[in-house]
Amino acid sequence: AQTVTQSQPEMSVQEAETVTLSCTYDTSENNYYLFWYKQPPSRQMILVIRQEAYKQQNATENRFSVNFQKAAKSFSLKISDSQLGDTAMYFCAFMNQGAQKLVFGQGTRLTINP
Amino acid sequence: NAGVTQTPKFRVLKTGQSMTLLCAQDMNHEYMYWYRQDPGMGLRLIHYSVGEGTTAKGEVPDGYNVSRLKKQNFLLGLESAAPSQTSVYFCASSYRGGRSYEQYFGPGTRLTVT
Repeated sequence: AQTVTQSQPEMSVQEAETVTLSCTYDTSENNYYLFWYKQPPSRQMILVIRQEAYKQQNATENRFSVNFQKAAKSFSLKISDSQLGDTAMYFCAFMNQGAQKLVFGQGTRLTINP
Repeated sequence: NAGVTQTPKFRVLKTGQSMTLLCAQDMNHEYMYWYRQDPGMGLRLIHYSVGEGTTAKGEVPDGYNVSRLKKQNFLLGLESAAPSQTSVYFCASSYRGGRSYEQYFGPGTRLTVT
């Protein structure tokens, strides 16, 4: 069974700083997908960024980028020029290709301070 | 286009009572999922469906039943509620395969069992 581990329960940075959230996972599969979801206080789950395991190039979405290290089974999220609206819980998630089930990490609570 | 909707948004039950949570999606997605979210933990998969009339167990299925009689609806039932089922429940849906494998989430239902 796949497992996802987020080792940072909480993080706090100043506005405009760069922050990196860590995620490691365990799987024996070769083809899979990795995601970062954001959950603001509204509780809505919002997809931030995705990475296909077969792609070597790291995904980027505006201020959000990932560092995907397949051999190390590591998938970190970097947020550049952080904004107050980035304050939220962030979940790393793994998906296999079969039933497309998501396995989530425990989450990191990120606070951006003014 | 409402996306994924969940009914109700909040509910309080007494131990032993039963209830059904309704999830509806208008995106013609084949796959649908029920997750629960507990404090300090990520979302965990309860049951899922890969098509109308089919359901399967996820990571934490005990105490729950599901049905998918129509493609757009996925029902989660609690036959005899227990305090351990106090949680926030999320429904999600996705296309089978597709470019992104993205799951779209509903707003969640907060259930308290006393």
